[in-house]
Amino acid sequence: GAVVSQHPSWVICKSGTSVKIECRSLDFQATTMFWYRQFPKQSLMLMATSNEGSKATYEQGVEKDKFLINHASLTLSTLTVTSAHPEDSSFYICSARPQTSGGSYTQYFGPGTRLTVL
Amino acid sequence: GIQVEQSPPDLILQEGANSTLRCNFSDSVNNLQWFHQNPWGQLINLFYIPSGTKQNGRLSATTVATERYSLLYISSSQTTDSGVYFCAVTNTGGFKTIFGAGTRLFVKA
Repeated sequence: GAVVSQHPSWVICKSGTSVKIECRSLDFQATTMFWYRQFPKQSLMLMATSNEGSKATYEQGVEKDKFLINHASLTLSTLTVTSAHPEDSSFYICSARPQTSGGSYTQYFGPGTRLTVL
Repeated sequence: GIQVEQSPPDLILQEGANSTLRCNFSDSVNNLQWFHQNPWGQLINLFYIPSGTKQNGRLSATTVATERYSLLYISSSQTTDSGVYFCAVTNTGGFKTIFGAGTRLFVKA
């Protein structure tokens, strides 16, 4: 159990276009989902936290108008990279925290989406 | 914010050797997880261990919350253990999970 999927797994796009990444919790409901970005040979950096039905909370330095997050349901969050540029090329990973975690703060991670902007 | 430090940053082992990875954190936490990131980027959850000791096969972990550190033990290492090991902590209140920089492990055959 506790599977998180992401789609697409990889995407190549032209500079200036927008890309949407989906994150789904397949067998549980998640009140909170998280989006991370990982550059090569670096750690995961938290970009934003999203709660179902409310606006996402962005970390300092992350442009909320560039990285649009929508958490429309308890099983789906989307990240849209608007007007993508080559410096946005990265590995984007989402995670989800089960609604009924019983006091546990365990997060389950998706397989990641590799974005390359040409 | 909370700081997470992992050591060593890099580790090379001969197959069959044992190792200990360390994670220090700067504040009280509600949760601590150890992950292995495979070559394809997938994060594999190894342990959810806010305190105490757990074992799973050749791997075990211990967290001493009062002293703000956790250890991951790998015994009889295998080449498939290669990859990056991350420690991630969730701050009090559970609002965010912060990752350490990771330990990059290479096990030689």
